[in-house]
Amino acid sequence: QVTLKESGPVLVKPTETLTLTCTVSGFSLSNARMGVSWIRQPPGKALEWLAHIFSNDEKSYSTSLKSRLTISKDTSKSQVVLTMTNMDPVDTATYYCARQQNYYGSGSYHQNFDYWGQGTLVTVSS
Amino acid sequence: QTVVTQEPSLTVSPGGTVTLTCASSTGAVTSGYYPNWFQQKPGQAPRALIYSTSNKHSWTPARFSGSLLGGKAALTLSGVQPEDEAEYYCLLYYGGAYWVFGGGTKLTVL
Repeated sequence: QVTLKESGPVLVKPTETLTLTCTVSGFSLSNARMGVSWIRQPPGKALEWLAHIFSNDEKSYSTSLKSRLTISKDTSKSQVVLTMTNMDPVDTATYYCARQQNYYGSGSYHQNFDYWGQGTLVTVSS
Repeated sequence: QTVVTQEPSLTVSPGGTVTLTCASSTGAVTSGYYPNWFQQKPGQAPRALIYSTSNKHSWTPARFSGSLLGGKAALTLSGVQPEDEAEYYCLLYYGGAYWVFGGGTKLTVL
């Protein structure tokens, strides 16, 4: 059974650094097909893709937030960590992690975001 | 800044058919954007419906289908059920390994 679970602070102050952890089970972060993305959703607003880490440790970031984000993983702990610096009240959102599979199947390459965590609400306020 | 555009809202009658679309500011959406579609109900995490344009997950109801239509990615619901009322998001992949969500379509079943 594949699960992802986000954890981290509920409340952070402006200018502080946010650190979120995604703990996964049911698959290995070292599997060549597997990657994990972080996505956020401000209250009442749309989803926003933030960052991704591939099995080979290659990373990618949202162009608008790249300077503030760092994604990393600890395969032995089955965890993916996202840090976001210089938090602001506009960063108040539910933060999700999601598994992504990259593979060739039926003669085609596929990108498949399949399983998501339940999300964790982070509020930025002094 | 890449923008992915979806209809803000659509209304469909129970049993009807509706198509939601997903357009890219960079031009026509092709299979190389690997469109993914997600359903989100209030208070819940998104649920994956479609990947790589038209592929269904094992849990995706048969009434949902994905395609490319007129330079956009499309999600079609045929025989809409009341429980399909939700927000729907598309996700597109851009070379250089980054993804962009659309703004979402609020689907009302009325």
